[in-house]
Formats: sequence, structure tokens, C-alpha cells
Amino acid sequence: ILNVEQSPQSLHVQEGDSTNFTCSFPSSNFYALHWYRWETAKSPEALFVMTLNGDEKKKGRISATLNTKEGYSYLYIKGSQPEDSATYLCASGAQKLVFGQGTRLTINP
Amino acid sequence: DAGVIQSPRHEVTEMGQEVTLRCKPISGHDYLFWYRQTMMRGLELLIYFNNNVPIDDSGMPEDRFSAKMPNASFSTLKIQPSEPRDSAVYFCASSLEPPYGYTFGSGTRLTVV
Repeated sequence: ILNVEQSPQSLHVQEGDSTNFTCSFPSSNFYALHWYRWETAKSPEALFVMTLNGDEKKKGRISATLNTKEGYSYLYIKGSQPEDSATYLCASGAQKLVFGQGTRLTINP
Repeated sequence: DAGVIQSPRHEVTEMGQEVTLRCKPISGHDYLFWYRQTMMRGLELLIYFNNNVPIDDSGMPEDRFSAKMPNASFSTLKIQPSEPRDSAVYFCASSLEPPYGYTFGSGTRLTVV
């Protein structure tokens, strides 16, 4: 059984500050690591998919890194804005994704 | 494309009744997934299909749950009889071949009273 863990569970950050959080996953039989952004009352939206050790992806102020040998990925948000408030999910797997419980991020104006 | 379309958005039903949730995936996506979201367990996979064929239904909680995909543009998740512990948000998602990510529907919030 694949266990995907995220930390912290929740995070409060001041507007303008940068932040990061972690996703850990079993490194054996790794296929792909996904990050999703999930706003309240909406559905999860794909941010990144990473497959190679050392991969780095960036979209605006958000970026992610991947270490498949040790089984972790970091998501970074630079200069947080109120619209970044959401739950960030990571998931690992091939066709079938196993999701972590998410990190709930709140940006305080 | 209109994205993944789920109906209904909300469903309130009495215990013992049959409930049918519907999903239309994105055209051209070969994979379709049904997930359930609860506070306790987060997002858990119930079943997924590839080219309309069920591949893994190990997440279906019990025989009261069944899912079908009669063609590439439609899938149903049925609960019969429904119980209060089935109350959750049910998401349908579709995708291309991995490692492409999922596109989720807007979910169906089911309440069984």
C-alpha cells in the first residue's frame, strides 16, 4: 500500500511571506508525483506533474522540486497572496493516484 | 471542452433509497476515476476504468456500491441501499495516459438522512 504523507496539515502565512511544505512518498516503484491546488467549494486543479529525480517545475510564484531517491517533494510559494489560500494536495502513482491528506494554507492579509 | 461534468451537484436522500451519481468525462480521456472525499479519510479511490473497462474496484466499500461505464462519454456510480455513513463528496475525474494529471469534476455532495 502506498502511503503519501504531507506536512504540515495546516499553515498560516502573512501576505508577502514565502512558504513551503512537504510531500513524502515511498521511493520504491516510483512513477510520478502530482501536485494539485484545491480551493474551498471547488474541485482540485492540477499544478504540476513530475517524473524524474531532480525535476523542478514552476508556475508563476509557485514551484516544486522532486527527490525520488529519498521520496519527497517540496512545494514553494514565493510572496504569498490571499488568492493562494487553498489546500495543496500531492499524489503519487501511475494510473491510480494515492493522495495525501493535504496542507491547508491560509494567507493572512 | 466543458471539462468533467458531474450530476447532480447535491443529493439528499433517505436511508435505504437508491442513489445514482453521473459523470461525463472529457472527450478523448481514456481513464475515468471515482473518488470519495471525507474528513476522516481524505480523497480515496473507489474504482477506475480504462477504455470503459473497470480495472481496479478494490476501493469500493461493499456490495452496495456499483459503477458502470457503458460508453466512453458516460459513467454512473450507484449506491443501493444508501446509508448515512455514505454521506460524502463524490468526485469523478478523467485523464489521458499517465503521467498526465487528472481533471476533476465539481463533485456531488451526497447526504443520506
